[in-house]
Amino acid sequence: NAGVMQNPRHLVRRRGQEARLRCSPMKGHSHVYWYRQLPEEGLKFMVYLQKENIIDESGMPKERFSAEFPKEGPSILRIQQVVRGDSAAYFCASSRTSGGNNEQFFGPGTRLTVL
Amino acid sequence: RKEVEQDPGPFNVPEGATVAFNCTYSNSASQSFFWYRQDCRKEPKLLMSVYSSGNEDGRFTAQLNRASQYISLLIRDSKLSDSATYLCVVTRQAGTALIFGKGTTLSVSS
Repeated sequence: NAGVMQNPRHLVRRRGQEARLRCSPMKGHSHVYWYRQLPEEGLKFMVYLQKENIIDESGMPKERFSAEFPKEGPSILRIQQVVRGDSAAYFCASSRTSGGNNEQFFGPGTRLTVL
Repeated sequence: RKEVEQDPGPFNVPEGATVAFNCTYSNSASQSFFWYRQDCRKEPKLLMSVYSSGNEDGRFTAQLNRASQYISLLIRDSKLSDSATYLCVVTRQAGTALIFGKGTTLSVSS
């Protein structure tokens, strides 16, 4: 049973370019969460999605960032016009359900470097 | 004030030592509590959930004090493989976003 998959594992972009990060949840999981870990910082929640719905985007920067989880295919975190401050590790997690002590399983992360 | 606070360490201990980590959270409405472990440049992995009654998993014991808004993790008989960053995590509502502390770094030496 494959775990949470993220690609690419490493992504290099120049300032002003777009970054697209993909996350495929574990089989049977319909809840996806995105977190960002800046250098020397803790993980920060960004957005929580279910299939075709954004449930909580309270952690998303107001501009340039968007996320989707379509009916078919992986969840996508999109960063437009990247800046150096976007350089970070972006982790995706999935869970089977919401509620209770549902465990979130994390993917290996995408390390974004903005030159 | 950060929602989850931890002593960043590092804690440097010899093999076989007992080490305790503490964590406080500011939101009294927090619902679920966890300890995660993160190895260098890897994804966080759930170590254990934390319950008010306390829970133990082998060499690891976790305690929750809701009145003091305090969570602890005790590691007995430390192994070299325990070297990692330990993350205190809470949720505001069950089944929603995880709120992470910055982590406490443990280094176990032989």
